[in-house]
Amino acid sequence: GQQVMQIPQYQHVQEGEDFTTYCNSSTTLSNIQWYKQRPGGHPVFLIQLVKSGEVKKQKRLTFQFGEAKKNSSLHITATQTTDVGTYFCAGAGTYKYIFGTGTRLKVLA
Amino acid sequence: DTAVSQTPKYLVTQMGNDKSIKCEQNLGHDTMYWYKQDSKKFLKIMFSYNNKELIINETVPNRFSPKSPDKAHLNLHINSLELGDSAVYFCASSQEPGYEQYFGPGTRLTVT
Repeated sequence: GQQVMQIPQYQHVQEGEDFTTYCNSSTTLSNIQWYKQRPGGHPVFLIQLVKSGEVKKQKRLTFQFGEAKKNSSLHITATQTTDVGTYFCAGAGTYKYIFGTGTRLKVLA
Repeated sequence: DTAVSQTPKYLVTQMGNDKSIKCEQNLGHDTMYWYKQDSKKFLKIMFSYNNKELIINETVPNRFSPKSPDKAHLNLHINSLELGDSAVYFCASSQEPGYEQYFGPGTRLTVT
């Protein structure tokens, strides 16, 4: 079945450093979503990418969808302690999204 | 006003019991979901309803049964609870399948 993997599984960064998480699907995706889950919280939608090669920015966050629509990345510039949490990509299948394995980000002040 | 609400927030019960988790959304969405998040934080879809019709039914033990009395509600009933059912269960909704999903606060189920 369809699988969506993310790397790294964990990342500890010093506040102010950059952070990137990568998402890879075993199949071509029609679109991809990104979510953030704070510790003890629920996933919160960040963005959706649809077009091949698409790049979207939200303040310090940059999202990219690969040309082959099988991979995606989320890059955070100059991390802050408020960026702490688990970041999930979710690849679109038939009627459903397959969530990636997640990347847990810790930001050390 | 909470968009997607779940009750209860915590549920501690013994093996073999039957329990239900309720979910309600006030967003006017057509699609609702149940997800299970295990201790490793993997988030796995279990069921999805669109306009009260079951559209996704993943490989889940038939002890789990969803029920959607109307578009705003999707409940999850679990029979004969097992230790491995311990997890956080999230309800979510979206305008239609494939749109952004709004998650509820989760129900932490502990089976002892």
